[in-house]
Amino acid sequence: DAKTTQPPSMDCAEGRAANLPCNHSTISGNEYVYWYRQIHSQGPQYIIHGLKNNETNEMASLIITEDRKSSTLILPHATLRDTAVYYCIVRGSNFGNEKLTFGTGTRLTIIP
Amino acid sequence: DVKVTQSSRYLVKRTGEKVFLECVQDMDHENMFWYRQDPGLGLRLIYFSYDVKMKEKGDIPEGYSVSREKKERFSLILESASTNQTSMYLCASSFDRITGELFFGEGSRLTVL
Repeated sequence: DAKTTQPPSMDCAEGRAANLPCNHSTISGNEYVYWYRQIHSQGPQYIIHGLKNNETNEMASLIITEDRKSSTLILPHATLRDTAVYYCIVRGSNFGNEKLTFGTGTRLTIIP
Repeated sequence: DVKVTQSSRYLVKRTGEKVFLECVQDMDHENMFWYRQDPGLGLRLIYFSYDVKMKEKGDIPEGYSVSREKKERFSLILESASTNQTSMYLCASSFDRITGELFFGEGSRLTVL
């Protein structure tokens, strides 16, 4: 069961903000939104997660809509090293419901 | 920094061979996971473990088994490798069951001939 929907690919110019959308219309109240990315030939890397409020860290910002049915990951000043596949994942917080299920993600290409 | 180390980056095995994929983490994490990654299918969870000697089936456990004799080590075993098990295998660990922050290894690319 696909809990999230992401566009298969996106391009962004180097130095601009990359905005990656994710739909999760069936998210339930105790489920978090997680973002990971996978650079070619490496394992996935955790970026950020959130429940209701917007979150920011040194890598990115996460904007979650008020109804929590969608979110956007923002890379504020994209560099070539941000070229990767980005995964949006919905994850429960209760024991037994906490597995991370990765979909196929969005392939983000940063254009010089 | 957390380090998750997978024993082999590339392996080539023959159909019917027994294959061991080893994973070690150095941060005393409780949880460990094995995923496989195939084009167009994303990452799929094979097995995971919340504690030593404990294991739970993931979404695609058929044809695999695991072993966790020590907290830092989680092994994936293919009892009799088949060609449809050719894939990239990724090990991950996390501090506990609450967090969804997983730390992944570099992956082991297995080819079964």
